[in-house]
Amino acid sequence: DAKTTQPNSMESNEEEPVHLPCNHSTISGTDYIHWYRQLPSQGPEYVIHGLTSNVNNRMASLAIAEDRKSSTLILHRATLRDAAVYYCILRDVGDSNYQLIWGAGTKLIIKP
Amino acid sequence: EAGVVQSPRYKIIEKKQPVAFWCNPISGHNTLYWYRQNLGQGPELLIRYENEEAVDDSQLPKDRFSAERLKGVDSTLKIQPAELGDSAVYLCASSLEGRRETQYFGPGTRLLVL
Repeated sequence: DAKTTQPNSMESNEEEPVHLPCNHSTISGTDYIHWYRQLPSQGPEYVIHGLTSNVNNRMASLAIAEDRKSSTLILHRATLRDAAVYYCILRDVGDSNYQLIWGAGTKLIIKP
Repeated sequence: EAGVVQSPRYKIIEKKQPVAFWCNPISGHNTLYWYRQNLGQGPELLIRYENEEAVDDSQLPKDRFSAERLKGVDSTLKIQPAELGDSAVYLCASSLEGRRETQYFGPGTRLLVL
């Protein structure tokens, strides 16, 4: 399984954009990139996913490098409620089990 | 729409005791997952159900863990007997057939084994 590398933690100021990086240098052509987040004392929450093209939704944007060896989750205007652990996960589109292999994620701290 | 419901939210037991966790997925979601999450780590899949069939239980420690989803709706995960190392958060998630890239998680059950 391809692995992802994320910083252990990041800090950002409230109401500023946040760019959360993820490296996946061994990604295969059939690996989707998923992002989930986990707020304190809650279960994980789906954020966004993509394959090759950049993706946008109401929660965030996903920017995928041209060589797909890295990606960035962008929160356009962070609030205190965005403080969470953010997980970058690869999933093989050919995996019929749709299994997500989770790492330790990035703990995002938002400063007021 | 109600989310994934889990109970209890917290459980403290002594080692060697049995414990059970219950999960009710989002209505209409035929895929159900049980995960275990140790402190500071991401979730680890224990078992996945498609309707009432366990289709992936390769990570379930079968000597002490068991799970069932008899009518293809709610599910129970049991540990008997519990060990100190079983202390963790047990998460249940569900997804729609054809939309399994998006999993919806419950709040989890935090288990402490003394």
